Amino acid sequence: NAGVTQTPKFQVLKTGQSMTLQCAQDMNHNSMYWYRQDPGMGLRLIYYSASEGTTDKGEVPNGYNVSRLNKREFSLRLESAAPSQTSVYFCASSDRQATNYGYTFGSGTRLTVV
Amino acid sequence: RKEVEQDPGPFNVPEGATVAFNCTYSNSASQSFFWYRQDCRKEPKLLMSVYSSGNEDGRFTAQLNRASQYISLLIRDSKLSDSATYLCVVNRVTSGTYKYIFGTGTRLKVLA
Repeated sequence: NAGVTQTPKFQVLKTGQSMTLQCAQDMNHNSMYWYRQDPGMGLRLIYYSASEGTTDKGEVPNGYNVSRLNKREFSLRLESAAPSQTSVYFCASSDRQATNYGYTFGSGTRLTVV
Repeated sequence: RKEVEQDPGPFNVPEGATVAFNCTYSNSASQSFFWYRQDCRKEPKLLMSVYSSGNEDGRFTAQLNRASQYISLLIRDSKLSDSATYLCVVNRVTSGTYKYIFGTGTRLKVLA
């Protein structure tokens, strides 16, 4: 049981380049999330999808777009990368938004923008 | 003031010691509380949910104090493998939408 799978694990981009971070879960979860983690800032929500077919902005959506391709997959796109987007990105999923079972996270993508 | 605040530590404790962390939250309407564990360069993993009456899972005890708006995590008989960062998580409900707010974490180092 893979849980939440993120690709790639590492990426270096030049300023202005674009890329898509992929996330897939095999737990039949309804809700999926994208977070970024920076030193001293904690995990901050970028975008989330409460259920298939819906997406909403989180705390720090600027510079990002998302696609909930189907129930399993939720991708995050950086259209024009900036050094401020250097971070560790985590995808997560849960059976529903309000849950006592918490989230399951992917192993993360370490992105450096130079 | 941050919505969820934790002492960043590090807490350096010898093996076998008991250690406790607190986490304060500012939104009195929060209803769900969790402790996550995050190892260096790894993803966060759910350690335990925190229930109103307090709950225990082996060497770990979580407590909630709604009046003072804090949750705590107690680790008894610390093991070297407990060394990690412990994240406090609180939910926020806005217009019927639930979001989880993560603290920045408390670092624990258990020393041999």
